[in-house]
Amino acid sequence: DIQMTQSPSSLSASIGDRVTITCRANQGIAYSLAWYQQKPGKAPMLLVYGASTLENGVPSRFSGSRSGADYTLTISSLQPADFATYYCQQYYKSPLTFGGGTKVEI
Amino acid sequence: QVQLVQSGAEVKKPGSSVKVSCKTSGDTFDISTISWLRQAPGQGPEWMGRITPMLGIVKYAQKFQGRVTFTADKSTTTILMDLTSLRYEDTAVYYCARGGDWASNWGQGTLVTVSS
Repeated sequence: DIQMTQSPSSLSASIGDRVTITCRANQGIAYSLAWYQQKPGKAPMLLVYGASTLENGVPSRFSGSRSGADYTLTISSLQPADFATYYCQQYYKSPLTFGGGTKVEI
Repeated sequence: QVQLVQSGAEVKKPGSSVKVSCKTSGDTFDISTISWLRQAPGQGPEWMGRITPMLGIVKYAQKFQGRVTFTADKSTTTILMDLTSLRYEDTAVYYCARGGDWASNWGQGTLVTVSS
């Protein structure tokens, strides 16, 4: 199985901060990466697929990118609604696997 | 708007089975792949497999092979997930979601508790 290592596991940030979350696979996944946001008691919500394509309706302050083996989710200016846990997921090879999550807190 | 509506919470004994339903719209049933995922308390999501009803294609994660079955009922546009030989560690929220690679729409989740 492809292992996804996500960092950091948690971070503290303030409104307006730029936040970066990183995910690395233990083998190449050719941009086959999605990012989700999850709030307590709710289902995850898709933010990005194809490493950098924003899902319809997702605010433009979210962006995804790749640099070498690292895939990054960036929130350009953190808003109150963005305090949540974020997961990356690879779909390059079955079984689809998720990172361990990043909890974004105040 | 794609909507996936799941059945309610279940409490099951170890060794028993659980069936969770996922009601879809007609359009979704006809053209989509539906994935099943679960999330244990305090953990990240875990992919269980996927089904494409109109093509009759099913793929299970090896971890669940032999214990899980996905079926599709065209008359009710409902997808069913049947998990057998339940263990305490199967306690989780189970989700259906639209998409075979990334999950673009999720059901509300069904809590399955395995307890003696």
